[in-house]
Amino acid sequence: KNEVEQSPQNLTAQEGEFITINCSYSVGISALHWLQQHPGGGIVSLFMLSSGKKKHGRLIATINIQEKHSSLHITASHPRDSAVYICAVKIWTDKLIFGTGTRLQVFP
Amino acid sequence: EAGVAQSPRYKIIEKRQSVAFWCNPISGHATLYWYQQILGQGPKLLIQFQNNGVVDDSQLPKDRFSAERLKGVDSTLKIQPAKLEDSAVYLCASRSGTSGVWELFFGEGSRLTVL
Repeated sequence: KNEVEQSPQNLTAQEGEFITINCSYSVGISALHWLQQHPGGGIVSLFMLSSGKKKHGRLIATINIQEKHSSLHITASHPRDSAVYICAVKIWTDKLIFGTGTRLQVFP
Repeated sequence: EAGVAQSPRYKIIEKRQSVAFWCNPISGHATLYWYQQILGQGPKLLIQFQNNGVVDDSQLPKDRFSAERLKGVDSTLKIQPAKLEDSAVYLCASRSGTSGVWELFFGEGSRLTVL
């Protein structure tokens, strides 16, 4: 079993829909990152969380340390949000463990 | 602020040939990572440098992969000889700070296809 699990693996949505991507982990962490990877391959860091909730534009990330779970929400989704969203956890040795990603496609 | 630069973006080689990838991290970032990302999987750490010293290379296949970071700035990752299973995107990332809360910055990646 992977230490970082994401669901769903693939997600399709119509423009304007509210989207949720989930990340569960089984190890002790000091922080959790949400990353966005576009088809070209480059990765952009969206959020880094150690507790609570963060919001940036239409993106919201939450984390529940007790339940070892984080969610990434996208409100009013748009085709340009189509990408792979990756959850990565930072363990106490400063190492990052990555999930396998959620592929999101938003259709107009 | 300039981002993490990588080259080449794409490379196609035949098995048993060699290839080298280059990375220039964000100025002032002491920590540099090379990751291998096989299609459909998350990135896997190959090697982590702190300045010009190796912090973690436990998952680097040392019989064919090598990496160096001369002068603690640019880094190169070499594969010799390449195998079919080395086809992947090789991602370079860098960060500032030595511990605690930090943000990771990735390059665009170098996509390798081994035929």
